[in-house]
Amino acid sequence: DQQVKQNSPSLSVQEGRISILNCDYTNSMFDYFLWYKKYPAEGPTFLISISSIKDKNEDGRFTVFLNKSAKHLSLHIVPSQPGDSAVYFCAASNGGTSYGKLTFGQGTILTVHP
Amino acid sequence: GAVVSQHPSWVICKSGTSVKIECRSLDFQATTMFWYRQFPKQSLMLMATSNEGSKATYEQGVEKDKFLINHASLTLSTLTVTSAHPEDSSFYICSTKKIAADPDTQYFGPGTRLTVL
Repeated sequence: DQQVKQNSPSLSVQEGRISILNCDYTNSMFDYFLWYKKYPAEGPTFLISISSIKDKNEDGRFTVFLNKSAKHLSLHIVPSQPGDSAVYFCAASNGGTSYGKLTFGQGTILTVHP
Repeated sequence: GAVVSQHPSWVICKSGTSVKIECRSLDFQATTMFWYRQFPKQSLMLMATSNEGSKATYEQGVEKDKFLINHASLTLSTLTVTSAHPEDSSFYICSTKKIAADPDTQYFGPGTRLTVL
């Protein structure tokens, strides 16, 4: 059972435009959500997170939106840069009982063209 | 972010041998470390949760006798793949959580590529 889903395997965007990466989840007990960026043969790098008590969190070019009723979150990158090209994973946790365990989506490959 | 290192970054071994992978948190103490495995073009799958001074908690389907985890100090956890077989070839990544820090934010090591011949 895939509790965290990223339905778009890939996304291609022109430099300077907005990149929107989407993620859906099924477990209503998740209360903390994170986005990670990953290059091939490297570990994921933490980008941004959001608690379920918020619906938006912003950090520089990165903004995460959370829609709890739809069980959906998205990552907006604006403006997109070629260096943003990587695999993006969303992850979720239930802080109350999961002791910090993260459940990851399948990842979306973002390609930003110059 | 936190600095997490893994050693070795890659290893090639013969079938039947054992391989040890080290995960270190370099700039903070970590009571909890996590071990993940990633197969090509797939997501990260949690294998086990390693707690300092106690036995690791393994996810369903992960053989604890095959993947031995030791978390002897607040900065070091090791994963030993015993009697490795070609199907164990994968990318192994560890992560850590800071004590009393951001809820559930994990910081990942660079990963170890294991190839079993």
